Amino acid sequence: EDQVTQSPEALRLQEGESSSLNCSYTVSGLRGLFWYRQDPGKGPEFLFTLYSAGEEKEKERLKATLTKKESFLHITAPKPEDSATYLCAVQPNMDTGRRALTFGSGTRLQVQP
Amino acid sequence: ETGVTQTPRHLVMGMTNKKSLKCEQHLGHNAMYWYKQSAKKPLELMFVYNFKEQTENNSVPSRFSPECPNSSHLFLHLHTLQPEDSALYLCASSPGQQETQYFGPGTRLLVL
Repeated sequence: EDQVTQSPEALRLQEGESSSLNCSYTVSGLRGLFWYRQDPGKGPEFLFTLYSAGEEKEKERLKATLTKKESFLHITAPKPEDSATYLCAVQPNMDTGRRALTFGSGTRLQVQP
Repeated sequence: ETGVTQTPRHLVMGMTNKKSLKCEQHLGHNAMYWYKQSAKKPLELMFVYNFKEQTENNSVPSRFSPECPNSSHLFLHLHTLQPEDSALYLCASSPGQQETQYFGPGTRLLVL
């Protein structure tokens, strides 16, 4: 069974204070690992897809990295508008016969001015 | 309209009511999904449709009945729901089943 564990559950940062969110996963064959951002009462907004260990992707203050067991979402010099819940999800490859995404519970990030 | 839209955004219903949630995607995708998001729980996949055909039903109770008349529209028909069904119901679409999913804003459902 695929599993995704995100830590910490909640994180409070001061504006400009860089940090990292962790997503640990177990999946028999990984097709892709996805990061989403979700604001309260809204649907998840797609950020990144990572496909293989060693891959990195960046968007503004966010950088996502992937190893064979975990992914990190690095936030550099965050601003209050980066406050949101960040979700991680894994998708198994087609060889497993499974297609569904398995989501973690998310990390709730609050950036204070 | 762009992206994935959902209506209504908020819904309050009694346990004996019948209501429907609607999802429409304007992205030209072929796969559509229903998810349930309850407080402090991970997103739970409910149903998957690919080219209008249901390909996954994640052991969802029969009081939830999906309908996909074409690749752009997805409905979730609700009847005799329970208070524990109160949640945010999210629709998503993707170009194909193994590709990135894009979510709508969700319908916040409260069952009294």
